[in-house]
Amino acid sequence: GAGVSQTPSNKVTEKGKYVELRCDPISGHTALYWYRQSLGQGPEFLIYFQGTGAADDSGLPNDRFFAVRPEGSVSTLKIQRTERGDSAVYLCASSPGLMNTEAFFGQGTRLTVV
Amino acid sequence: AQSVAQPEDQVNVAEGNPLTVKCTYSVSGNPYLFWYVQYPNRGLQFLLKYITGDNLVKGSYGFEAEFNKSQTSFHLKKPSALVSDSALYFCAVRDMNGNNRLAFGKGNQVVVIP
Repeated sequence: GAGVSQTPSNKVTEKGKYVELRCDPISGHTALYWYRQSLGQGPEFLIYFQGTGAADDSGLPNDRFFAVRPEGSVSTLKIQRTERGDSAVYLCASSPGLMNTEAFFGQGTRLTVV
Repeated sequence: AQSVAQPEDQVNVAEGNPLTVKCTYSVSGNPYLFWYVQYPNRGLQFLLKYITGDNLVKGSYGFEAEFNKSQTSFHLKKPSALVSDSALYFCAVRDMNGNNRLAFGKGNQVVVIP
């Protein structure tokens, strides 16, 4: 498709389990962002990739969170030892990489930790 | 680090009346500014952006926004609101002198009353 694709759309997991969330950006977009959105809140920045490298990972809340983008396209957000507080909608966005360009968002993955 | 403030939680407006959603920003350099809209259970959709040039920018669905450097504001406006404009609106900023990180405000719920 032409847009940013995120899978799965919904994920329910038990506390303590490991989860992976996938983002497939728009073809040719070099910049990729991960955000977390809790109910009633704005998107909270997690990490930003330029190509394969994490240009800014200062938003990752702790070392249970990790993200990769090994070939500069698809990215995976990994959460270890999930906690109930990790429940949120995880949004992915991509952009052409220039600072004056807008980011295009996927539909998000709703993560519920029970 | 760049940041955005959206001071109002909810904006109520009668259909046909002008709509204004407020946004102020903080950056160390010059800003790139964006507005996004989010409908229920949907991803964020880009509305408009300010990069440089004319302080009044026009975007999708009849929306416009005015950049005011002295007041560090970028308020979103629509001359005549429609019921279908009811949604969550987010302001976002990049620091031209920083990295490509895009920081969002907490959002404003707009309710257009028929």
